[in-house]
Order: sequence, then structure tokens, then C-alpha cells
Amino acid sequence: GIQVEQSPPDLILQEGANSTLRCNFSDSVNNLQWFHQNPWGQLINLFYIPSGTKQNGRLSATTVATERYSLLYISSSQTTDSGVYFCAVLTGGFKTIFGAGTRLFVKA
Amino acid sequence: EPEVTQTPSHQVTQMGQEVILRCVPISNHLYFYWYRQILGQKVEFLVSFYNNEISEKSEIFDDQFSVERPDGSNFTLKIRSTKLEDSAMYFCARKTSGSTDTQYFGPGTRLTVL
Repeated sequence: GIQVEQSPPDLILQEGANSTLRCNFSDSVNNLQWFHQNPWGQLINLFYIPSGTKQNGRLSATTVATERYSLLYISSSQTTDSGVYFCAVLTGGFKTIFGAGTRLFVKA
Repeated sequence: EPEVTQTPSHQVTQMGQEVILRCVPISNHLYFYWYRQILGQKVEFLVSFYNNEISEKSEIFDDQFSVERPDGSNFTLKIRSTKLEDSAMYFCARKTSGSTDTQYFGPGTRLTVL
């Protein structure tokens, strides 16, 4: 089945710093989403981005489907950005595969 | 973002007991999903459900599990004869259309099996 790999696994930032999170996937996908899991365990949808670039405030994402990767950019990080960031892909059927996540901690 | 609610928020049960987890999506959503997340691990797909039928399931979703939408509204996940390793967060998700739409997740049910 399709493999989804995220890097880095862990990231510590000073408040105000920028970062890039990466998601690689091993096969063609119909759908790619980025989620933020906050410290309370909630999965918050950030982007639905099977291809192209989107921006939402300090966050932006780019997916290059032909090269099978997606990037999530966080600019001017804040302590509330802490948590785990997951990339999830939907293949030809109805099965969604999550990556292992990037655990982000933003220090004040 | 349209809401999905899940009940209960936390369920504690004894090993061997049956549990039913509930998801209450908005009525016009057609595609439903169940996922689980063991503490500290990644989110794992269990099953997808469309038009009152299972459309796909993972290797995890064995005979111990079942899903249904008994009243056309609530979407349930039943776990028969729970085991210690079933302890996890269980998330319901839904979306409106086919493979090209956004999935929205509920807040989850934390299941603890003692």
C-alpha cells in the first residue's frame, strides 16, 4: 500500500521562527490534507491540497503531486502552534493513510 | 467548519465488554469514517461507510468491529468483547462528496479498557 513519510519527526522552535514540514508519499493520490492535532487531541483541518499552493494566515502549503510531496510552511511561529502536524492522503478508494506526524514545540 | 459530535467523550469499560461509540454528523453528509489513535501514535484508518454500506475497511477492522447508521442520523462503531489493546482515541469523520472533498473530524471518544 501507499507509504506516507513525514519529516522531521520532532521540531523545536523559538517563538517567531519559521519552519517547513515535509510529507512524501509513494504513489499517486486523489486527496491530501494537513491536520494539526492540538494538545487536547483535537484534529483540526488546516488544508485540503491535492495540488498547488494555498495560504491561510501564517500557514501555507504546497503540494507537487507529480513529485509526490507536500510542504507545510509555518511563519512567525507562536506557542499555540505547538502540537502534532499530520499529513493524510486518500488513494483511489476510500482509505485515508496518515503519516506518523511532526511533533512541534514552540518555546516562548 | 460544520460540526461533527461524538459521544461519549470518554468511555471506560472492562475487558470483554461491548462498547458502542456514536457519531452525529450533519444529515447531508454521505461519507463517514472511523479512525483510531493509540496514545502517542499516528491516526489509523478503520473503515469508510457510504450509502449505508461499508466501502472500505482496513486490516484492523476485523470481526470484532461493526458499523451501522441505524436511524439515518447517528453513525455507530461497535466493538465486541473489548481487549486491552483497543484502548485508544476513536475519531469519526465525514465529508459531503466523493474522493475529492475535505474530511472533517469529530472531537473523538477516548476508550479505556481495563
